[in-house]
Amino acid sequence: EVQLVESGGGLVQPGGSLRVSCAASGFTVNSNYMAWVRQAPGKGLEWVSILYSGGSTYYADSVKGRFTISRHNSKNTLYLQMNSLRTEDTAVYYCARALVILEWSYAFDLWGQGTMVTVSS
Amino acid sequence: SYDLTQPPSVSVSPGQTARITCSGDALPKQYAYWYQQKPGQAPVLVIYKDSERPSGIPERFSGSSSGTTVTLTISGVQAEDEADYYCQIADSSGTYKNVVFGGGTKLTVL
Repeated sequence: EVQLVESGGGLVQPGGSLRVSCAASGFTVNSNYMAWVRQAPGKGLEWVSILYSGGSTYYADSVKGRFTISRHNSKNTLYLQMNSLRTEDTAVYYCARALVILEWSYAFDLWGQGTMVTVSS
Repeated sequence: SYDLTQPPSVSVSPGQTARITCSGDALPKQYAYWYQQKPGQAPVLVIYKDSERPSGIPERFSGSSSGTTVTLTISGVQAEDEADYYCQIADSSGTYKNVVFGGGTKLTVL
């Protein structure tokens, strides 16, 4: 079955760090563009980061310099390392596979169920 | 970067046609994508490349584009279509890459 399963969410204090994971099955992470999208409680969707199949990485301005996207090929898993966390980073974090239409134009055709990250003292 | 503007809410009766708009200056230059999200669930892609429908999405979902506005149309709305809908583009300029979502529209089936 083709699916994404996130894990690693939890409660962390402001200024702390957390790594969330996304295990893929039924397809290969390193052959696809893979992304993280978050949704704060009661709010809309916000793109966080994307990792191209060729290895290039891009980040939203709100997380640049604090978050790092990466993958482990043999584990077929995507990661998001989050440092210097702020209360405004509190959200459900979804990983998603991109449907690439053009190199720079893509939708997200497969989503995980999400993992909740709460930043609070 | 660009903004995408959606109406906060749209209401229709069962069997009627719902139209959800998304406006933005980037839309004449970029493909638009649409997602459906029901409470407590992950988003689902319902339209890609302005008007293409992924496999498994009912034919009552369609998309169109005109200038700076794209529209998601749901014909013969059913109770199960009640959800939040988001438009999205991918923006690129040189080494700058960005993905933008609209603020979302809550579709209420009366």
